[in-house]
This record gives sequence, C-alpha cells and structure tokens, in this order.
Amino acid sequence: SAVISQKPSRDICQRGTSLTIQCQVDSQVTMMFWYRQQPGQSLTLIATANQGSEATYESGFVIDKFPISRPNLTFSTLTVSNMSPEDSSIYLCSVDRTSDQETQYFGPGTRLLVL
Amino acid sequence: QKEVEQNSGPLSVPEGAIASLNCTYSDRGSQSFFWYRQYSGKSPELIMFIYSNGDKEDGRFTAQLNKASQYVSLLIRDSQPSDSATYLCAVDNGGNQFYFGTGTSLTVIP
Repeated sequence: SAVISQKPSRDICQRGTSLTIQCQVDSQVTMMFWYRQQPGQSLTLIATANQGSEATYESGFVIDKFPISRPNLTFSTLTVSNMSPEDSSIYLCSVDRTSDQETQYFGPGTRLLVL
Repeated sequence: QKEVEQNSGPLSVPEGAIASLNCTYSDRGSQSFFWYRQYSGKSPELIMFIYSNGDKEDGRFTAQLNKASQYVSLLIRDSQPSDSATYLCAVDNGGNQFYFGTGTSLTVIP
C-alpha cells in the first residue's frame, strides 16, 4: 500500500476564509482523488486530481469552491474556499494502486470545523 | 444514478460469532467491489476486494459476490472486539471512480 500524508490533520476556521489541504504520497501514482465525509455519513467523491490538467469534478462540486492542484505525480492540494459551517467535514485524499487489482488507499484525513 | 446501499446497523454480534454484512448496488456495469473498515476517527482501510462471482477468503474474512443479484457481502468469522468498526462497501464502475455505501456499524460484544 502507499504511504499517504495530509496536512493539516485538523483545523478550525472562520466563516468566509479558505483552507488549503495538502496530500503527499511516497511514490508516483496515476490517480489521486479527493473525498468528503460529513459527520455520520459515508464518503462522497469531490473530484479526481489529474496531473497536468484540470481536475474532474463530480456533480454538485465546482472548481470555484474546491480548486485543486496536481503539480506532479506525488502531490495534490484541495482548497475549500469561502467556507461556511456546512463545509465542516473530514476531507480525505486517496490514491489508486494496481497490484493484482486496481484499488484505492486513503490518507489519514483532514478534520475541518468551520465556525 | 449509481447507488450503493448498506444497512446502517448497528449490527451487534457476540465475540466468536459470524458477522454478516451486506451491500447491494444499482449499476450492472460495476466491475470491482471493495470492503473497507473504518474505525471511529480514522480513515478507511482496505480489507478485501472481489471482482469475480463466488467467494473469496482471506483469513477470517470472506467476500461473496453475486453479480446477477447485484449483491456483495462480507463475512467475518470468529468475530473479535477489535473488529468493531464501520464497514464500507465500495463499487468501481470501471472508470476509476468508487461509489461508497453509507456503511454498517458493527459492534462485537465480548
């Protein structure tokens, strides 16, 4: 499995501000993904971070609210812009891995509370 | 809309018993199926994957897949208190996109 780190691990932010979350992988990966997990809920895919091109966003998520960068094959950032309390959630980055089956491994997550 | 459904539970079993977790999915084009375990406050951890009809065993865990019925399950034999967690079913439609169920909360009672 990949070793994935995220920064920050948690943060408390004020309404209207923005937070950038970093995801670092210990080896090159083709696909990186960003998920949101709201309290008591399952994971919802926000977008796929593509290296060298714009991210691909899922329905209900837009680039202005969640801009994503993917400058190389080991790093990505997700920014949560103009935050509101509804953005309070855990944000998880994941990467794909092909061993005998394509699968995804998750980073430790970033716990965000917006006041 | 692609949907993955699980019973939210909570499911409680005594230590040593078999825990059975179920998942159904709506997209017949789904190709691969995964079970993740998530402890409270932690990120999901991959337990098993399966992509062929039938059973796949790994230690105390057995995944079962029935594509005709669009059904995948996870059996945990000899359940331990350390198995207490939320179990997430995930489905890959072949486009590198995973769709997750809402998870089943399992409690193993010592």
